[in-house]
Amino acid sequence: DTAVSQTPKYLVTQMGNDKSIKCEQNLGHDTMYWYKQDSKKFLKIMFSYNNKELIINETVPNRFSPKSPDKAHLNLHINSLELGDSAVYFCASSQPSAGINEQFFGPGTRLTVL
Amino acid sequence: GQQLNQSPQSMFIQEGEDVSMNCTSSSIFNTWLWYKQDPGEGPVLLIALYKAGELTSNGRLTAQFGITRKDSFLNISASIPSDVGIYFCAGRYNNNDMRFGAGTRLTVKP
Repeated sequence: DTAVSQTPKYLVTQMGNDKSIKCEQNLGHDTMYWYKQDSKKFLKIMFSYNNKELIINETVPNRFSPKSPDKAHLNLHINSLELGDSAVYFCASSQPSAGINEQFFGPGTRLTVL
Repeated sequence: GQQLNQSPQSMFIQEGEDVSMNCTSSSIFNTWLWYKQDPGEGPVLLIALYKAGELTSNGRLTAQFGITRKDSFLNISASIPSDVGIYFCAGRYNNNDMRFGAGTRLTVKP
């Protein structure tokens, strides 16, 4: 009964490949996020979706394309992977419309680009 | 974007000692949150603060929302080895956007 789940947990791939990371939340939240955590552990927001609509799109290369098929899922597709994309990617969810501003995080996906 | 300054960057303490860390910002936030991240895991919420001046405890943890709404601190009393991890402050200034501090890496020596 994991609240926010991500797959895969580890992803090792070659430069230039295309890969996807999936996220699902069973909390009934209407807002989901993707964060990137670099090697110095700095957490930076990438995208925010509210009810399947893009709300926040930080300065992220357009090789990154989030997709939200429904409000419980927010997947992240990355094209033409580069070495600098290596990081841990976290999905999170919250329900700000109900006053639940706390974001609940998934376990992370460690992406290594060789 | 909004910037948070979190300090200290790292702390090395003996078991049983108290710990204090804080975050400051040049901008006003509506909510302050404190998270802990264990190795290989996602951040886990410790305390949420919603009102200026609010002081909230969660076991040995105490956090306060600064009166100016531009700062917050987290105290841990009587630290134990399992307190080891990275602590992040986070400030929210609109419904969907939250910014994180750079983290405080805590090491507790038995």
